[in-house]
Amino acid sequence: NAGVTQTPKFQVLKTGQSMTLQCAQDMNHNSMYWYRQDPGMGLRLIYYSASEGTTDKGEVPNGYNVSRLNKREFSLRLESAAPSQTSVYFCASRWGEGYGYTFGSGTRLTVV
Amino acid sequence: GENVEQHPSTLSVQEGDSAVIKCTYSDSASNYFPWYKQELGKRPQLIIDIRSNVGEKKDQRIAVTLNKTAKHFSLHITETQPEDSAVYFCAASKGGSNDYKLSFGAGTTVTVRA
Repeated sequence: NAGVTQTPKFQVLKTGQSMTLQCAQDMNHNSMYWYRQDPGMGLRLIYYSASEGTTDKGEVPNGYNVSRLNKREFSLRLESAAPSQTSVYFCASRWGEGYGYTFGSGTRLTVV
Repeated sequence: GENVEQHPSTLSVQEGDSAVIKCTYSDSASNYFPWYKQELGKRPQLIIDIRSNVGEKKDQRIAVTLNKTAKHFSLHITETQPEDSAVYFCAASKGGSNDYKLSFGAGTTVTVRA
């Protein structure tokens, strides 16, 4: 039982490059989330998927897209990376109301 | 949407003393309140949570209290130890919503001095 698995753990991109961050959970959770964490900014929601087949914007969606591939997997794509997207990205999943999130180990992304 | 405010932003305590972090929330429909601990370079991890039908919950040296009338909840850490040094986040979740999002506070950096 691995919980929430994120890949890659570290990535350096050049401005304008694209990449996809992968997230998978094996806990049969319904909801999945992508957050970014910047120094002094706490956790900011990028996109979420309340259930398989649905996705919605969070508070900072610009420059990102997501795909809920199936119940287990929720990917985050940067189409044209910008230095402002340098951050630590966390994927999380949740079974439902009244339960907390389980976070992945994070992806540290640097855009140069 | 839900707005969660957390205070203080930084907290320094002597080893063995208690630490208290306070959060307020804005939406009276919120009914689930978890606390997360994030050590440097690690993922946030759930340490304790409380539901709105309970006023207090304890787990060894940590406890959480909830005042629904005032819309605030607090984390109490007793007999602090160096391994308690971390960033702590409070969060709130609204009941009856279909997105199950958590709204997070901005975090409190706790430093335990030896």
